[in-house]
Amino acid sequence: EPEVTQTPSHQVTQMGQEVILRCVPISNHLYFYWYRQILGQKVEFLVSFYNNEISEKSEIFDDQFSVERPDGSNFTLKIRSTKLEDSAMYFCASSDIRRGSYEQYFGPGTRLTVT
Amino acid sequence: AQTVTQSQPEMSVQEAETVTLSCTYDTSESNYYLFWYKQPPSRQMILVIRQEAYKQQNATENRFSVNFQKAAKSFSLKISDSQLGDTAMYFCAKGSNTGKLIFGQGTTLQVKP
Repeated sequence: EPEVTQTPSHQVTQMGQEVILRCVPISNHLYFYWYRQILGQKVEFLVSFYNNEISEKSEIFDDQFSVERPDGSNFTLKIRSTKLEDSAMYFCASSDIRRGSYEQYFGPGTRLTVT
Repeated sequence: AQTVTQSQPEMSVQEAETVTLSCTYDTSESNYYLFWYKQPPSRQMILVIRQEAYKQQNATENRFSVNFQKAAKSFSLKISDSQLGDTAMYFCAKGSNTGKLIFGQGTTLQVKP
């Protein structure tokens, strides 16, 4: 069964450093998402991406964040200058809304630890 | 603003018994989707069940079923014949036409042997 994959599974970085989180969505999906979950809290929407552009973003997704689909398979989330409060689990998800199901399939997540 | 509320931070149930997790939401949309996701200790998000708002019939997936009350904006999850593997955090989520999912705070379910 197709699945969303994410790398790395765990990233440790120092405050102020740039990180890139990588995702490979399900191949025939058209809509891509990033969510984050601070430990012990709920999952929060960051951004959605369709047709090579951002379709919606949350208040959390400020100028420090960017997304890109550099080729036909990868979908990346970049944090330019990490802060301690960026420590969280980051989930990538994809969906094929054309099917009308609106189901989003989540990757296993990347745990980001900022020290 | 759209919100999803899960009022039960923690629940427990004996193995083989039935448990119901509550969820309410707020929206002005007429067409939307509702989901329950399971998050085990591995923290992977696993889709349990979904419900389209335009469908009156409650969704069922094996031991999992929902009680969808559109007018009351309520969407509860019933787990029958609970198993130890059902122990996890459960999130209720609302989707919209923009695709974004809005999650509740989660309910930690402990299934006791």
